[in-house]
Amino acid sequence: NAGVMQNPRHLVRRRGQEARLRCSPMKGHSHVYWYRQLPEEGLKFMVYLQKENIIDESGMPKERFSAEFPKEGPSILRIQQVVRGDSAAYFCASSPPQGAVDEQFFGPGTRLTVL
Amino acid sequence: QKEVEQNSGPLSVPEGAIASLNCTYSDRVSQSFFWYRQYSGKSPELIMSIYSNGDKEDGRFTAQLNKASQYVSLLIRDSQPSDSATYLCAVNIVRGSSNTGKLIFGQGTTLQVKP
Repeated sequence: NAGVMQNPRHLVRRRGQEARLRCSPMKGHSHVYWYRQLPEEGLKFMVYLQKENIIDESGMPKERFSAEFPKEGPSILRIQQVVRGDSAAYFCASSPPQGAVDEQFFGPGTRLTVL
Repeated sequence: QKEVEQNSGPLSVPEGAIASLNCTYSDRVSQSFFWYRQYSGKSPELIMSIYSNGDKEDGRFTAQLNKASQYVSLLIRDSQPSDSATYLCAVNIVRGSSNTGKLIFGQGTTLQVKP
């Protein structure tokens, strides 16, 4: 009974490099959400995706950040030209096809450190 | 006004006592409410969801919802040291007649259960 999977669990990048974070939802789940947790801050919504569709990206920074959830394979959160302020824990969550229950289950997260 | 507000704590209770965690929210049309537990350095774990006014019990946990007062709470009976964690209140965002899938989190309340 695999839960939400994320990799890598820890990622170190130098300023200016690219970071790619991967998320595989729970079996049977078709909705994926990305959240960011900055040190000493709360969880902030970034983006909501379904297969091949971005449903809501209102929490994504306007530049350098992008997300996708292709027909095959995991969802990817991509951060280009990382800066120190991008250092945070990035969590992916998934939920089943929307119905009466909209519970979101979180993966273990990717801890990004920008040097 | 923050969309979801929690007292950051720490809330300290003796082992075996009842811990009461509170949360208020500003979006009157919100329909889904969640409590997550987050241990230090770990990901959020869903412990309760509640959708209707009143109480919902699951083991030692009881969630209470009062939509008129825009208030949701979590009671933990017979608190154990292993319950020591940060408890996050989350509220969905509704636009039109649909849940957007976007969860807004409070800052979290740190609970300390002393043996």
